Amino acid sequence: SYELTQPPSVSVSPGQTARITCSGDALPKQYAYWYQQKPGQAPVLVIYKDSERPSGIPERFSGSSSGTTVTLTISGVQAEDEADYYCQSADSSGTSYVFGTGTKVTVL
Amino acid sequence: QVQLVQSGAEVKKPGSSVKVSCKASGGTFSSYAISWVRQAPGQGLEWMGRIIPILGIANYAQKFQGRVTITADKSTSTAYMELSSLRSEDTAVYYCARGPNGFDYWGQGTLVTVSS
Repeated sequence: SYELTQPPSVSVSPGQTARITCSGDALPKQYAYWYQQKPGQAPVLVIYKDSERPSGIPERFSGSSSGTTVTLTISGVQAEDEADYYCQSADSSGTSYVFGTGTKVTVL
Repeated sequence: QVQLVQSGAEVKKPGSSVKVSCKASGGTFSSYAISWVRQAPGQGLEWMGRIIPILGIANYAQKFQGRVTITADKSTSTAYMELSSLRSEDTAVYYCARGPNGFDYWGQGTLVTVSS
């Protein structure tokens, strides 16, 4: 089955930049989406269609795509950004969705 | 404001079935796909399947084929997810979420505990 691979963890100091990658063979053909999840809460969409930001999401969140890898960038990280982050996309047929393995962002 | 409100927590015996509901308000229910996503304790997110209410068509992740059924009632703007032949590994929080350009609205989650 199709898989999206993320690093298990990323650590960053406040004010620095965090980058989270997500790799998958179908990413050149399918959009990627990013979610932030804090403990005990439902996920929140922070990036859609590779690089679009929903209303209400801070500008420090951005997304990019290059080949089989997409990247979520958090610029000027704040303590409140400490959370789990998941990428999500579809398989090459577009009929089945998949989530990445998840990345825990720790703000030092 | 779109809201997805799910039914309450369930405790089930191994081998039984569970049916979780997701009632939508504040939007056009039929026009959007509703997906079901689960999260086992301490684990990641797992997509189970989706339905497009206006078409009444559902499709499922291969892992759950034959064991999950997703339906929708347009008259009450409610989607349902039924999972059968429950085992302990199905203990998880089950979420409904609205698509299709990413899951922009989520239900609050329903904890399903499978235990003898």
